[in-house]
Amino acid sequence: EAQVTQNPRYLITVTGKKLTVTCSQNMNHEYMSWYRQDPGLGLRQIYYSMNVEVTDKGDVPEGYKVSRKEKRNFPLILESPSPNQTSLYFCASSLSGTSPYEQYFGPGTRLTVT
Amino acid sequence: KQEVTQIPAALSVPEGENLVLNCSFTDSAIYNLQWFRQDPGKGLTSLLLIQSSQREQTSGRLNASLDKSSGRSTLYIAASQPGDSATYLCAVHRGTYKYIFGTGTRLKVLA
Repeated sequence: EAQVTQNPRYLITVTGKKLTVTCSQNMNHEYMSWYRQDPGLGLRQIYYSMNVEVTDKGDVPEGYKVSRKEKRNFPLILESPSPNQTSLYFCASSLSGTSPYEQYFGPGTRLTVT
Repeated sequence: KQEVTQIPAALSVPEGENLVLNCSFTDSAIYNLQWFRQDPGKGLTSLLLIQSSQREQTSGRLNASLDKSSGRSTLYIAASQPGDSATYLCAVHRGTYKYIFGTGTRLKVLA
């Protein structure tokens, strides 16, 4: 089954404790992206990757890191999480970021930073 | 800077009604526009994708239109059902690998 998976689905952590949220897709998509969703603000793009080893900032990249060492995986790293990073995070993928292909989304990761 | 607005923020209708959800964007230089559905606690499910050269797309009871010159897209849902209750999001693809989402319309269809 074609899908985007994220782990963990729920995470509660404390300020400053490094964490990684994994994202994997099995559709051989070139383009992958991370979003955060907050009430009243909608989904905002954090980082995206056009292909292996190629990443760039979205609209809200501060406090996050990403890497794309393999085509199928695109982990989101929070080196020193803060309470303002409490949010619902979504990973998405698409065949290409420059062509009119639809995005497929993972189920989301709800992160709480205390 | 591209801004995407969805009005109304919430909508309740009785079952069977036809309804229209609106999505407005400020910059007409878009690559495509995609409509999504989000159920509570779940991810986003793609409904329709309209390329910038197209005027509309249809899938079952759903029809999405795009008017780039006026910066508007509408999602028409025919004969609404309680199972259509969800939040509907539109997203504008700006071309350069970036997407901008609206804040969504929360739809409740009453049985």
